[in-house]
Amino acid sequence: ETGVTQTPRHLVMGMTNKKSLKCEQHLGHNAMYWYKQSAKKPLELMFVYNFKEQTENNSVPSRFSPECPNSSHLFLHLHTLQPEDSALYLCASSLRTSDYNEQFFGPGTRLTVL
Amino acid sequence: GQNIDQPTEMTATEGAIVQINCTYQTSGFNGLFWYQQHAGEAPTFLSYNVLDGLEEKGRFSSFLSRSKGYSYLLLKELQMKDSASYLCAVMDSNYQLIWGAGTKLIIKP
Repeated sequence: ETGVTQTPRHLVMGMTNKKSLKCEQHLGHNAMYWYKQSAKKPLELMFVYNFKEQTENNSVPSRFSPECPNSSHLFLHLHTLQPEDSALYLCASSLRTSDYNEQFFGPGTRLTVL
Repeated sequence: GQNIDQPTEMTATEGAIVQINCTYQTSGFNGLFWYQQHAGEAPTFLSYNVLDGLEEKGRFSSFLSRSKGYSYLLLKELQMKDSASYLCAVMDSNYQLIWGAGTKLIIKP
């Protein structure tokens, strides 16, 4: 595997379910990001991890819970979501969070909440 | 607040030239990125500008004017595969990327 991978690619869940999104990067980067992408809206930064430490939490509801066990893996745990949470969830990585930090994206998980 | 503006949608003809504009107001500036995103795929890096002027990379060029808070992406010799969304993003003083909503480019034969 190369680059940034995400699983699953598609997920349909009910509002009472618990599910997790997984992201893995094979680039040797130290920073990882979760974004939410809704139609015709800018990418919304949700969480940032730098060297496994969470450095940003942009007022994300507690029903989204991130986990970063090491610099290569990032999870987003989902619990009691709302229909408005339906979106494309993108994971990205970069060498670091300061200076020039070109971000490399995974293909995303298309989430539908019923 | 921080704001990135770009047109929602543009249409162009195969073989032609198209210019996608981006204006920004951000707290600090550490560079501007352009990304390409095909439907259902990951955004991929196209260009980075931090100094004023034009950066050329094959059929794609990107221009920046920091004093005007303005950038454009120029695509030449358009091909059908260039149909995609083009995302403008500015790195602010905290090195966070502030994103525009993207411009959907439709190429017609």
